Amino acid sequence: KQEVTQIPAALSVPEGENLVLNCSFTDSAIYNLQWFRQDPGKGLTSLLLIQSSQREQTSGRLNASLDKSSGRSTLYIAASQPGDSATYLCAVRRNEKLTFGTGTRLTIIP
Amino acid sequence: GEEVAQTPKHLVRGEGQKAKLYCAPIKGHSYVFWYQQVLKNEFKFLISFQNENVFDETGMPKERFSAKCLPNSPCSLEIQATKLEDSAVYFCASSPQTGNTGELFFGEGSRLTVL
Repeated sequence: KQEVTQIPAALSVPEGENLVLNCSFTDSAIYNLQWFRQDPGKGLTSLLLIQSSQREQTSGRLNASLDKSSGRSTLYIAASQPGDSATYLCAVRRNEKLTFGTGTRLTIIP
Repeated sequence: GEEVAQTPKHLVRGEGQKAKLYCAPIKGHSYVFWYQQVLKNEFKFLISFQNENVFDETGMPKERFSAKCLPNSPCSLEIQATKLEDSAVYFCASSPQTGNTGELFFGEGSRLTVL
């Protein structure tokens, strides 16, 4: 059974700092990994999708890496802004099932 | 449409009543997924469809939950005889033709409260 863990569970950093969120998964037989953000009371917004054959994806200030063999992914956020405050979730996909991580609640302090 | 549309946004039911939720996937997306979020970040997979065919239903509590995706209609998730523990936010997602490698796009969810 796939288990996905995110560390840390919560993180507070001053505005402007760079930061890294971590995601680990137990079964490396995945099709892809997707990072989402969820704002309180809202749905999920897709940030980045990394296929199993890829090593990283970039979108603006976000960079996600994938090391499938070790079961790890990181989400790097550059020059953090207060608007980045949200819960960040990683999810791994195999077949038609998406298994979510436990989430990291990020707070950017102005 | 360009977004996954879920209705209703909020639904309140007494224990034992029926609840029905709807999801219109993004136009052109062949895959639909339902997830249940009970506590904060815990997402439980319920069921997935490829067009109108069930693809994976390993997460469905079959005795009370059922789901359909019929042509030219929104997909639906129905709970017969709701229980208190069914209180959750139910998210629908859709994915394009590329299936396994496709990106999932989520709706805003339907919050079900069972009293």
